[in-house]
Amino acid sequence: DAGVIQSPRHEVTEMGQEVTLRCKPISGHDYLFWYRQTMMRGLELLIYFNNNVPIDDSGMPEDRFSAKMPNASFSTLKIQPSEPRDSAVYFCASRLGQGTNYGYTFGSGTRLTVV
Amino acid sequence: QKEVEQNSGPLSVPEGAIASLNCTYSDRVSQSFFWYRQYSGKSPELIMSIYSNGDKEDGRFTAQLNKASQYVSLLIRDSQPSDSATYLCAVNPRPYSSASKIIFGSGTRLSIRP
Repeated sequence: DAGVIQSPRHEVTEMGQEVTLRCKPISGHDYLFWYRQTMMRGLELLIYFNNNVPIDDSGMPEDRFSAKMPNASFSTLKIQPSEPRDSAVYFCASRLGQGTNYGYTFGSGTRLTVV
Repeated sequence: QKEVEQNSGPLSVPEGAIASLNCTYSDRVSQSFFWYRQYSGKSPELIMSIYSNGDKEDGRFTAQLNKASQYVSLLIRDSQPSDSATYLCAVNPRPYSSASKIIFGSGTRLSIRP
């Protein structure tokens, strides 16, 4: 199993540019989560999907952020326009099913720097 | 009040001793609980899950849950330098709901000194 795959690993962009982060969940997992981690705010849930349908996007900071999951094996998180305060590590995680014992498997993350 | 609270540390423990990490949560009906380990520059890694009151042991790790006190802890026996990491407590208040999601604490940084 290849695990959760994220790309790119690092992204440096200028303020105002569009940024697209990509995620491939573990095959067969039906939940996909996007998190953002910073020193100040820790690990924040941005949005999550169940069977490709967005369930809760209340963590998306503002309209500049959008996420899609066009099929079971691919999701994107887009920031347009990007701002320096968006600099963080963005993690994607996936999970199979629901129940007491189901934790997440995280991808390696994308470190985003907006200058 | 944060939903999941942890002492940020750093917690410094001598090698070979027991490291004790604590976590409290605010949603009384929470049903499943997790501990993740995160090395610097890496992604969180699930190391323990627990959902019944009491202790659950896995190798050198023991998770303890007290739902009445809304308290979760992680004990690491015979601490090794490789245990130095940030430990994230996580709670899923409603794991059987289709709107099931895990909420993370801010993490406790653990340092094992030789």
